[in-house]
Amino acid sequence: GAGVSQSPRYKVTKRGQDVALRCDPISGHVSLYWYRQALGQGPEFLTYFNYEAQQDKSGLPNDRFSAERPEGSISTLTIQRTEQRDSAMYRCASSLGQGSSYEQYFGPGTRLTVT
Amino acid sequence: AQKITQTQPGMFVQEKEAVTLDCTYDTSDQSYGLFWYKQPSSGEMIFLIYQGSYDEQNATEGRYSLNFQKARKSANLVISASQLGDSAMYFCAMNRFSGGYNKLIFGAGTRLAVHP
Repeated sequence: GAGVSQSPRYKVTKRGQDVALRCDPISGHVSLYWYRQALGQGPEFLTYFNYEAQQDKSGLPNDRFSAERPEGSISTLTIQRTEQRDSAMYRCASSLGQGSSYEQYFGPGTRLTVT
Repeated sequence: AQKITQTQPGMFVQEKEAVTLDCTYDTSDQSYGLFWYKQPSSGEMIFLIYQGSYDEQNATEGRYSLNFQKARKSANLVISASQLGDSAMYFCAMNRFSGGYNKLIFGAGTRLAVHP
């Protein structure tokens, strides 16, 4: 079956531009997470959705970062006025439920480079 | 605050031998889960194994087993009979089951190289 998909896979943008990163979770998965992974490090939590409700955005670095999941399926992470320090791999993950034992399935990620 | 520590930046092992990747964690929660993910050079994140804090038996999945020592707060991954395809980055993670959801906190990872 189809896994989590993300687009674009690679994005190069100039400093100051806005970018939108898309995540299409596995069908039927109610939980959706965004993580950011710097080179050589583990992923860091950004935000979480339960259906369309954004229940935790404590990991978003600042107010240039926002995310939405309006219909409880596809999610978009938007970064406004990008800066070089935003360069990283942005990963989306989905899981069937909220419980602690539910495995998170990760997408292939979007590699963002801000020049 | 919760924290995952992986003290081995890099490990190598001979093909067909077993290898242990270390992971220690810090939490004040009573209920939590521990996960291991594999990240090959292609960049994908592949779930390997899960251990719940109340599970009495160590988790096993094929060649992977998790050596869970709750009192020592360690959750080491053991890979038996290593294969060349096991060469990858390995991440230990724990979930913070607060607010009813499964937010993962990851360690810095261990890069494993399997030599023929």
